Amino acid sequence: AQRVTQPEKLLSVFKGAPVELKCNYSYSGSPELFWYVQYSRQRLQLLLRHISRESIKGFTADLNKGETSFHLKKPFAQEEDSAMYYCALRANFNKFYFGSGTKLNVKP
Amino acid sequence: DAMVIQNPRYQVTQFGKPVTLSCSQTLNHNVMYWYQQKSSQAPKLLFHYYDKDFNNEADTPDNFQSRRPNTSFCFLDIRSPGLGDAAMYLCAAEAGRRGTDTQYFGPGTRLTVL
Repeated sequence: AQRVTQPEKLLSVFKGAPVELKCNYSYSGSPELFWYVQYSRQRLQLLLRHISRESIKGFTADLNKGETSFHLKKPFAQEEDSAMYYCALRANFNKFYFGSGTKLNVKP
Repeated sequence: DAMVIQNPRYQVTQFGKPVTLSCSQTLNHNVMYWYQQKSSQAPKLLFHYYDKDFNNEADTPDNFQSRRPNTSFCFLDIRSPGLGDAAMYLCAAEAGRRGTDTQYFGPGTRLTVL
């Protein structure tokens, strides 16, 4: 069965520290993986997708099929990065599975 | 400019009283989704429309129905809300071009069942 696991509910780091938000998935097919972000009082929005191999706001994520992971990383966290982050898997054409989210708190 | 709009933002209903949540999009996108998100849980896909084609998730209760009268609008009907249906309901729209698509989410409707 398809599943997305985000093991950390809360991650607190100091400004300027590296941050890694973990995401593991379970899917027998070829996955498409995404990170979504929800800032305070804002709607859920796409941060990045693995297909694009892009860096957005300094964040990157690499799909590791061997470890079935798609961890989100940023070398130097900023206070404005504080938000809720959700990892998501597109299993079939229009079937999405979300993780339960990790709240990132960047302290000054 | 809001591209996916959900009304109302907060909805209170009584146990067993039918309720309808609405979603509209200005993107002219082919695909619209409804998600249920309970407190501290993952958004859970209930169903989606690809154009007029309705796709129900296997574990979506029969109590939940949806209508899409045109490209812009999509409704979520809960026929007999129970206390367990209290949640945030998220609507999203997507163009339908796999590989380059982005889901655009609405702000959500928080449903309270008394």
